[in-house]
Amino acid sequence: AQKITQTQPGMFVQEKEAVTLDCTYDTSDPSYGLFWYKQPSSGEMIFLIYQGSYDQQNATEGRYSLNFQKARKSANLVISASQLGDSAMYFCAMREDLYNQGGKLIFGQGTELSVKP
Amino acid sequence: NAGVTQTPKFQVLKTGQSMTLQCAQDMNHEYMSWYRQDPGMGLRLIHYSVGAGITDQGEVPNGYNVSRSTTEDFPLRLLSAAPSQTSVYFCASRGYSGSKNIQYFGAGTRLSVL
Repeated sequence: AQKITQTQPGMFVQEKEAVTLDCTYDTSDPSYGLFWYKQPSSGEMIFLIYQGSYDQQNATEGRYSLNFQKARKSANLVISASQLGDSAMYFCAMREDLYNQGGKLIFGQGTELSVKP
Repeated sequence: NAGVTQTPKFQVLKTGQSMTLQCAQDMNHEYMSWYRQDPGMGLRLIHYSVGAGITDQGEVPNGYNVSRSTTEDFPLRLLSAAPSQTSVYFCASRGYSGSKNIQYFGAGTRLSVL
């Protein structure tokens, strides 16, 4: 069963506008973490933001925020004031069993974001 | 400020050849892992290690071997390369940044098997 689902293979956004990238997950573990990574055309994987399942507030990191809806099992990434440099592939990932040293990070298939000038 | 270093960046092999992808980290992280990235499939876990001397299989381990003799190094060995192993390979290590346990990735190795 797919544990991480990103339903948007590609998205366009106008420069300076906000954009939401969708991510739903499936787990029965009460202790898990959700991550977003950015992969620009150069290929490296850049960590953006993290949300723990027990965190009371939605995570924010600069222009990135995570819209965490636990009951719906969704962890959407919101990018405010899009910039041309935001054009990249974005991956949602989940790690179950946070207190297990061997917990694995599982990735979704990614969403390719293109920012239009 | 090296982080996770992978070598080589690019490699072309012939079917049946063997090679080792190198990975080193300087953050004293116990957890290290290898992923492969194929078009439309995200990243899939090959092998991982929770410390020196301890390794385990991930989602797609067949055709790959790993060992972990030191905390710093986690090489990935292709025993007999096949065209299906053409992919981009990422090494990662995991450790705490403040209170968050974050996985950091190397720049990747692009491998082509002819």
